[in-house]
Amino acid sequence: EDKVVQSPLSLVVHEGDTVTLNCSYEVTNFRSLLWYKQEKKAPTFLFMLTSSGIEKKSGRLSSILDKKELFSILNITATQTGDSAIYLCAPYNTDKLIFGTGTRLQVFP
Amino acid sequence: DVKVTQSSRYLVKRTGEKVFLECVQDMDHENMFWYRQDPGLGLRLIYFSYDVKMKEKGDIPEGYSVSREKKERFSLILESASTNQTSMYLCASSLWQNQETQYFGPGTRLLVL
Repeated sequence: EDKVVQSPLSLVVHEGDTVTLNCSYEVTNFRSLLWYKQEKKAPTFLFMLTSSGIEKKSGRLSSILDKKELFSILNITATQTGDSAIYLCAPYNTDKLIFGTGTRLQVFP
Repeated sequence: DVKVTQSSRYLVKRTGEKVFLECVQDMDHENMFWYRQDPGLGLRLIYFSYDVKMKEKGDIPEGYSVSREKKERFSLILESASTNQTSMYLCASSLWQNQETQYFGPGTRLLVL
């Protein structure tokens, strides 16, 4: 059975801190892994990773995939209150996304 | 920008009622999806569709049906709502050639009493 585990479940930090969110997976027919940010509404797309070891960056956010060890990390540097959200990891197999339960990040001023 | 809209943000229904949740996307995407999101369980796929009049069961289709009469519109139907269908329902769409990058609607929070 496909499995996605995100850790930590919840994280509380102060503005300016750097955080690392983890996602480990066991998925048959793995093709790619996606990260989404969910505030109080629609999950919004952050990254899609298909190759091991190649970091993707967008501003203060970056992510990398390790297909040998079956995990991905999402880093956020210099956190801001606007980064407060649930971060969802979703490996994709041949026909669907398989979502983890998410990491809830709270950033306080 | 891709826009996915859902007909209601909040909905309250009674047990046994028939419930329609509507989703519309404006980017000519071929694929459309319905998920439900529950605390501790994440997003789970209910149904998806690759084309008009086509539908495929996801992981938890029991108690639900779908309709896709037009490319831009994908409806989720609860034939006889039950309290265990109280949940957040999210619709998503994607291009045929980039199925994994899905764009989500704002969600409908359904309460079944």
